[in-house]
Amino acid sequence: NAGVTQTPKFQVLKTGQSMTLQCAQDMNHEYMSWYRQDPGMGLRLIHYSVGAGITDQGEVPNGYNVSRSTTEDFPLRLLSAAPSQTSVYFCASSYRGGPTGEQFFGPGTRLTVL
Amino acid sequence: QQQVKQSPQSLIVQKGGISIINCAYENTAFDYFPWYQQFPGKGPALLIAIRPDVSEKKEGRFTISFNKSAKQFSLHIMDSQPGDSATYFCAASSPPWRNSGYSTLTFGKGTMLLVSP
Repeated sequence: NAGVTQTPKFQVLKTGQSMTLQCAQDMNHEYMSWYRQDPGMGLRLIHYSVGAGITDQGEVPNGYNVSRSTTEDFPLRLLSAAPSQTSVYFCASSYRGGPTGEQFFGPGTRLTVL
Repeated sequence: QQQVKQSPQSLIVQKGGISIINCAYENTAFDYFPWYQQFPGKGPALLIAIRPDVSEKKEGRFTISFNKSAKQFSLHIMDSQPGDSATYFCAASSPPWRNSGYSTLTFGKGTMLLVSP
């Protein structure tokens, strides 16, 4: 199993550009989440999904869009990138019936917005 | 409002020493308290976790101590090794979202641990 994979690893955008961060998991997990990690801020939840077709907002959803058409994929879209979105983005998955709080994280995407 | 407060921000410990990281929470509805370990350039990975009905959990050199009345919990790393150098996050899990079974995690801000040889 590859686990949780994320692409790209690094990305530089200009203000106002849009892009999609890809996340895929091959563990058949129902739950998937997107976090951003900023220095001194820990990880903050952006959006999450409890199954195909079902998503909800986390703590910091503004400026981001998600959809979940398949169990495996959970892309994160930046609609109009802003310098405040410079961060490291992590996708995570977990399974129904698993230990509460156990999430499997991908390797991250480091995004810089100029 | 920061719901999980973690300290210290950084910690330097000599090899063989004990590393202690503390967390405090406010929301009494939290029902699960995991610790995550993150190495540079990697995603966080679950290290150890505890439920609030248990006061201590030990796995190898890693121990969680939990004080429900004080709403505090801590991670102790015994016989700390250079390979333990990483950033550690405490977290707290909220009760499942509606009937989905999904629980959101609220993370502390992290502690960067350096174990010197």
